[in-house]
Amino acid sequence: AQSVTQLGSHVSVSEGALVLLRCNYSSSVPPYLFWYVQYPNQGLQLLLKYTTGATLVKGINGFEAEFKKSETSFHLTKPSAHMSDAAEYFCAVSDYGNTPLVFGKGTRLSVIA
Amino acid sequence: NAGVTQTPKFQVLKTGQSMTLQCAQDMNHEYMSWYRQDPGMGLRLIHYSVGAGITDQGEVPNGYNVSRSTTEDFPLRLLSAAPSQTSVYFCASSSLPDSNSPLHFGNGTRLTVT
Repeated sequence: AQSVTQLGSHVSVSEGALVLLRCNYSSSVPPYLFWYVQYPNQGLQLLLKYTTGATLVKGINGFEAEFKKSETSFHLTKPSAHMSDAAEYFCAVSDYGNTPLVFGKGTRLSVIA
Repeated sequence: NAGVTQTPKFQVLKTGQSMTLQCAQDMNHEYMSWYRQDPGMGLRLIHYSVGAGITDQGEVPNGYNVSRSTTEDFPLRLLSAAPSQTSVYFCASSSLPDSNSPLHFGNGTRLTVT
C-alpha cells in the first residue's frame, strides 16, 4: 500500500520568501500524486496534480511541484509567499486502479509579515 | 454548482447515541469516500464506494457504517458514538480514481462526542 511522508508539521516563512513543502512517497512505481490546500474551516481544494511524463507541475496561486522519481519526492514550491498562502497543505498519493487516495499528515504554513 | 454537500455542519452527541452524517454530490461521480481529520493525523479514510451498491472499508472503519443506494448519496452512520469519534468528517467524491481525477471535498462536519 502507498504511503506518503510530509517533512515538517509546521513551516514558517516571511512574506516574499520562498515556500518549500516536502513530500515523499513510498512506491518505486510512479503513482498518482496530488497537493491539496485547506484554508481554515473549509474542505480541501486541489492545488495541482502530477501527470505522467511531466517533471514540473504548475498549479493554482503560483504553486508548482517537481516530481523526482529517483528521490520518490514531489515537493511543493512557490517563489514568493503571500499572506493569503497561510493554510494547511496536504500531499496525497494513490496507485493505479480503483485505489483510494492516501494523505500525508499535512504541513501548516504560516506567513509572517 | 453545489458540488459536495455535507449536513450537518456541527453536531454534539452523547456517548452511546447514534446519528447519520449526510453527504450528497451533484456531479454524477462514481467514487465517494469519507475521511476523518484529527490534529497531527492528517486525513484518514473511513469507508469508500466505487458505485451504487458497492462499499469498502478504509483505514479506520470501526464504529462506522455506510451504504450507497444511489449515485448521489453516501451517508455515514455512527452506531454508538464514542468520545474517540470526536473529529471533523469530510466527504469527497470524484470520477473513478484510476482516471487521475481529483477529489472534490465537502466543507466538513465537526462532531463532538461527550
